[in-house]
Amino acid sequence: SAVISQKPSRDICQRGTSLTIQCQVDSQVTMMFWYRQQPGQSLTLIATANQGSEATYESGFVIDKFPISRPNLTFSTLTVSNMSPEDSSIYLCSAGKGTGTEAFFGQGTRLTVV
Amino acid sequence: AQSVTQLDSQVPVFEEAPVELRCNYSSSVSVYLFWYVQYPNQGLQLLLKYLSGSTLVKGINGFEAEFNKSQTSFHLRKPSVHISDTAEYFCAVSGLNDMRFGAGTRLTVKP
Repeated sequence: SAVISQKPSRDICQRGTSLTIQCQVDSQVTMMFWYRQQPGQSLTLIATANQGSEATYESGFVIDKFPISRPNLTFSTLTVSNMSPEDSSIYLCSAGKGTGTEAFFGQGTRLTVV
Repeated sequence: AQSVTQLDSQVPVFEEAPVELRCNYSSSVSVYLFWYVQYPNQGLQLLLKYLSGSTLVKGINGFEAEFNKSQTSFHLRKPSVHISDTAEYFCAVSGLNDMRFGAGTRLTVKP
């Protein structure tokens, strides 16, 4: 298994600013994922972050808006840039140890943009 | 690419009744299937998973699911639900490099 710590757990930000969310895993993992979950909605995959390579973004998400870092096998960050109220959501970090294995989730970051 | 369809957005049931939450998937490669539960204001917790082998898999809290390749389904079942099972349930499919989720099913157990 893997325990994922995500920081901050929540934040209220001014529009036009940026927020960086940190995700720390207690063991080495191959894959890390970032999801967005609107209230009462399902999880939408933003991007897959693999160590040593550029993140792979899903349709509708771009690197300029959501830059991601993956400096090692236990850590990743997601930045929400130039925020607007539409970015208000829960952002979830997830990690997996390889193809066919389950994904573990952090508790999420609840972001409110005012 | 793989995808998941959860056929019911909301399922209300009475306590101690059986329940089935439906999930269908599509994929062009071998799939690995999961059910997660999300209690209010909490993260996602794995209920059960199908990777290979027996098509009937048992998970935590008395839940089980059956993988049906011909019908591309992975329905979740519980023979007798409790009030505490009230939560959002997500079916997920994993391919080579990602995991995708269905829209979710809100299970509400009434007394």
